[in-house]
Amino acid sequence: DTEVTQTPKHLVMGMTNKKSLKCEQHMGHRAMYWYKQKAKKPPELMFVYSYEKLSINESVPSRFSPECPNSSLLNLHLHALQPEDSALYLCASSQEGQGGTKNIQYFGAGTRLSVL
Amino acid sequence: RKEVEQDPGPFNVPEGATVAFNCTYSNSASQSFFWYRQDCRKEPKLLMSVYSSGNEDGRFTAQLNRASQYISLLIRDSKLSDSATYLCVVNLFVGQGAQKLVFGQGTRLTINP
Repeated sequence: DTEVTQTPKHLVMGMTNKKSLKCEQHMGHRAMYWYKQKAKKPPELMFVYSYEKLSINESVPSRFSPECPNSSLLNLHLHALQPEDSALYLCASSQEGQGGTKNIQYFGAGTRLSVL
Repeated sequence: RKEVEQDPGPFNVPEGATVAFNCTYSNSASQSFFWYRQDCRKEPKLLMSVYSSGNEDGRFTAQLNRASQYISLLIRDSKLSDSATYLCVVNLFVGQGAQKLVFGQGTRLTINP
């Protein structure tokens, strides 16, 4: 089973709202990732957690706040977003954050976010 | 220069044709290499890893040339279901147990009946 589950599938929020995206995997993976994907563009890395510690923040604005409560869960807290933040937000996980075949990343179906 | 470069296409080919995609990457420290497939409004899914020795999975063959920093994907006897965007992906080990995937912009393939 290579399932990464993301909720919600769709989210519409206003610029003053606070919302959270959730991601869950039960594959025992110790690395988890958030990506942002705009239409007709490839995914862009936002954050990497390795062994529940934030290891990469790709200069993401502070209105996006990641959280890794445990090894199976990854959240992305959203606050005061802008319309240009509307995108598909993808979560991924991999067995560990090292090189080689263990770093194959499996993606969730994504949350399609619209900011009004 | 982009870290991973692909021809965005679109490629429109008839069913049964053979189609080849190429990709180049700029960082010689890249650790591992993949082709992902992404259907419209879906998540990327791993198609295959790419090894220097070349590897084949059914109708799909992938090659890696580390000296030239070049990756290829060959699809033989293409099917309608092969229509998708193919993403060339490079993995960089950035230290302290962290790694990141860098995606090419993707090549859009449409197989026509």
